[in-house]
Amino acid sequence: DAGVIQSPRHEVTEMGQEVTLRCKPISGHDYLFWYRQTMMRGLELLIYFNNNVPIDDSGMPEDRFSAKMPNASFSTLKIQPSEPRDSAVYFCASKLGTGGYQPQHFGDGTRLSIL
Amino acid sequence: DAKTTQPNSMESNEEEPVHLPCNHSTISGTDYIHWYRQLPSQGPEYVIHGLTSNVNNRMASLAIAEDRKSSTLILHRATLRDAAVYYCIRAQKLVFGQGTRLTINP
Repeated sequence: DAGVIQSPRHEVTEMGQEVTLRCKPISGHDYLFWYRQTMMRGLELLIYFNNNVPIDDSGMPEDRFSAKMPNASFSTLKIQPSEPRDSAVYFCASKLGTGGYQPQHFGDGTRLSIL
Repeated sequence: DAKTTQPNSMESNEEEPVHLPCNHSTISGTDYIHWYRQLPSQGPEYVIHGLTSNVNNRMASLAIAEDRKSSTLILHRATLRDAAVYYCIRAQKLVFGQGTRLTINP
């Protein structure tokens, strides 16, 4: 049973470049989450979707960050332009249903380094 | 406050029980407690959840205080593979915090 798939696993790019992170949730899951993890701030929720619709983007740090979910099996997180402080591990997670007992399933993350 | 409170680190010995505490004093009556753990270079992994009653699964047990203001994750016989960062979160808030880094000594 395939889990949440993220790509790329590692990304190194120069400041000012556009970065696109990709996520394929578990088939049938209707919630998708994007998180960012740094040593200083820990694991932070950036945005989440329900049935492909963004529900809460209050964690998105600034306008340089955008996320889309064009269909139930694909989501992107884009940073344009990128800055060195965006360096972090970005995780995608998916969940089935609205029940508070339903766990999130995380991908292995994308390690992003902005030089 | 949406955050839970956990000790920054704990240490235990292999094959001994481990009790990881979590305070969630402002939790609402319908909000589930979830525990996740994160191994190095991996995403968080679901461990267990509960609402009011104590819960057991193949990975761990979860003891929830009667007033629901705190809970304890119990690993009955720790192994070296249990060394990880453990997070306790409120399912309705999705705020992970810094978690507890568990070290297991051989």
